[in-house]
Amino acid sequence: NAGVTQTPKFQVLKTGQSMTLQCAQDMNHNSMYWYRQDPGMGLRLIYYSASEGTTDKGEVPNGYNVSRLNKREFSLRLESAAPSQTSVYFCASSEDRVYEKLFFGSGTQLSVL
Amino acid sequence: KQEVTQIPAALSVPEGENLVLNCSFTDSAIYNLQWFRQDPGKGLTSLLLIQSSQREQTSGRLNASLDKSSGRSTLYIAASQPGDSATYLCAANNNAGNMLTFGGGTRLMVKP
Repeated sequence: NAGVTQTPKFQVLKTGQSMTLQCAQDMNHNSMYWYRQDPGMGLRLIYYSASEGTTDKGEVPNGYNVSRLNKREFSLRLESAAPSQTSVYFCASSEDRVYEKLFFGSGTQLSVL
Repeated sequence: KQEVTQIPAALSVPEGENLVLNCSFTDSAIYNLQWFRQDPGKGLTSLLLIQSSQREQTSGRLNASLDKSSGRSTLYIAASQPGDSATYLCAANNNAGNMLTFGGGTRLMVKP
């Protein structure tokens, strides 16, 4: 049972480049989330999807887009990367939208030069 | 806006000691509160979840308590072991929104 799988684990981009972070869960969870973790700022919610077919902004959505491709997959896209987006990105899932025990992926360390 | 604070930011204890990690939150209208563990370079693992109607939850050597009126939660770790060394984070889920607010974490080191 893999849980929440994120790819890639590491990525280096140049300013202005685009990329998509992939996330998949095999627990049949309804809700999925993207967080970023920065020193001194803690974990902050970027976007979430309460259920298949819906997405909503979190605390820091600017510069990002998301797609809930199906119940299993939730991707995060950076259209034009900026140095301020250097961070560790975590995908998470839960059975429903009220955060009944979150399950996290292992993270993607992204550096934007 | 909910603010969650964890003090101290770092803690070092000898193996076998019982210890308490603290979490405080400013808005008592929470739906639930979760405690997580994060190992270096890894994602977060949920340890305990306390619903707003509950006072505490226990799992093995871990016990988490919740006092909404004072805006505090504690995580008690009994008979600490070197394998308990990690960063522990708490997160409050507010009734009014759909977002967890995380504390900054307490980095725990248990020395053999």
